[in-house]
Amino acid sequence: EPEVTQTPSHQVTQMGQEVILRCVPISNHLYFYWYRQILGQKVEFLVSFYNNEISEKSEIFDDQFSVERPDGSNFTLKIRSTKLEDSAMYFCASRAGTGLSGANVLTFGAGSRLTVL
Amino acid sequence: AQTVTQSQPEMSVQEAETVTLSCTYDTSENNYYLFWYKQPPSRQMILVIRQEAYKQQNATENRFSVNFQKAAKSFSLKISDSQLGDTAMYFCAFVGGATNKLIFGTGTLLAVQP
Repeated sequence: EPEVTQTPSHQVTQMGQEVILRCVPISNHLYFYWYRQILGQKVEFLVSFYNNEISEKSEIFDDQFSVERPDGSNFTLKIRSTKLEDSAMYFCASRAGTGLSGANVLTFGAGSRLTVL
Repeated sequence: AQTVTQSQPEMSVQEAETVTLSCTYDTSENNYYLFWYKQPPSRQMILVIRQEAYKQQNATENRFSVNFQKAAKSFSLKISDSQLGDTAMYFCAFVGGATNKLIFGTGTLLAVQP
């Protein structure tokens, strides 16, 4: 079964450092997402991406965050200068289509755990 | 704005018993999807079951079924014949309207006891 693959599975970084989290969505999917889950809290939407541009973003997704799809397969989330409160599990997700159809189901990756010290 | 509420932070069930997890939501949309995701200790998000709002028939996937009450905006998950591997955090989620983002509830931690 097709999977969304995320790397690294766990990254530890110092406050103020830049971090790049990588995702390889399912190959025929067109819509890509990043979600965040702070330990013990609910899953929060960060950003959605379609046709090489951001389609929607939350208030969490400030200027410290950016996304790109540099080579048509990888989908990356960059945090420019990490803060302690960025420590969380970051989930990438993708789906084939939009609207209210069977293609509307998100497939999640296994997550990347970020620890900021 | 859409919201999803899970009022049970934790639940416990004996192996082989049945348990029901509650979820309510608020929306002005008429067409939407509802989901239950399972997050085991590995923290991966796994789709358990989904329900289209326009379908009156409740969705079923093996031991998992939902009770979808559209008028009451309620979407509960029933797990029959609970197994130790069902121990996980369960999240109710909603998507609908102009946005394509999933909105999650706060989760219910289910412990299946041997």
